[in-house]
Amino acid sequence: QVHLQESGPGLVKPSGTLSLTCAVSGGSISNSNWWTWVRQPPGKGLEWIGDIYHDGTTNYNPSLKSRVIMSIDNSNQFSLRLSSVTAADTAVYFCASTVSSNWAYLDNWGQGALVTVSS
Amino acid sequence: DIQLTQSPSFLSASVGDRVTITCRASQGISSYLAWYQQKPGKAPKLQIYAASTLQSGVPSRFSGSGSGTEFTLTISSLQPEDFATYYCQQLNSYPWTFGQGTKVEIK
Repeated sequence: QVHLQESGPGLVKPSGTLSLTCAVSGGSISNSNWWTWVRQPPGKGLEWIGDIYHDGTTNYNPSLKSRVIMSIDNSNQFSLRLSSVTAADTAVYFCASTVSSNWAYLDNWGQGALVTVSS
Repeated sequence: DIQLTQSPSFLSASVGDRVTITCRASQGISSYLAWYQQKPGKAPKLQIYAASTLQSGVPSRFSGSGSGTEFTLTISSLQPEDFATYYCQQLNSYPWTFGQGTKVEIK
């Protein structure tokens, strides 16, 4: 069973850049999964941010595309950078693995990391 | 983007009740639909994928059906641990999108 764990600053200033890392254990980031970020503003629903394959191929939500960069890092982890943040980007950020063989689904999730945008 | 609309947004039910949640897609998505359960302060947990396939370890009282634009999640006999918020998600075309959620509370 793959285990995912988010890490990064819990507080980011407006107009700054949010940076999070997801560490993958119990499996290789080079397997056939896509590696995904989802966010959830306090008290609200889920929003898919995007995903990345181990070869660096990415898919981003058009609503965030101009501000998002995802990357595969060394040591079996992947990262999210979201630039020019505002209070609207305050949310719990989840990393997840997406299976996309015959069917697609998010089968494993990290516990989530709360990021607050405030001065 | 494909819009998913869940109904109801909120439902109040008792232990032992049969509960059905509907998810409607703004365009056809074949069977590329998943259902997740989320409890407060926790990550979502996959319940069903491919519209009707039960994820390993999920109790058989959960079932899913539908294809195209209309889907349902049914809990045949609601248990105390089932009180949570449920989300549908389409994975037919990017960007993947979620329904707004259905909160199941104790009557």
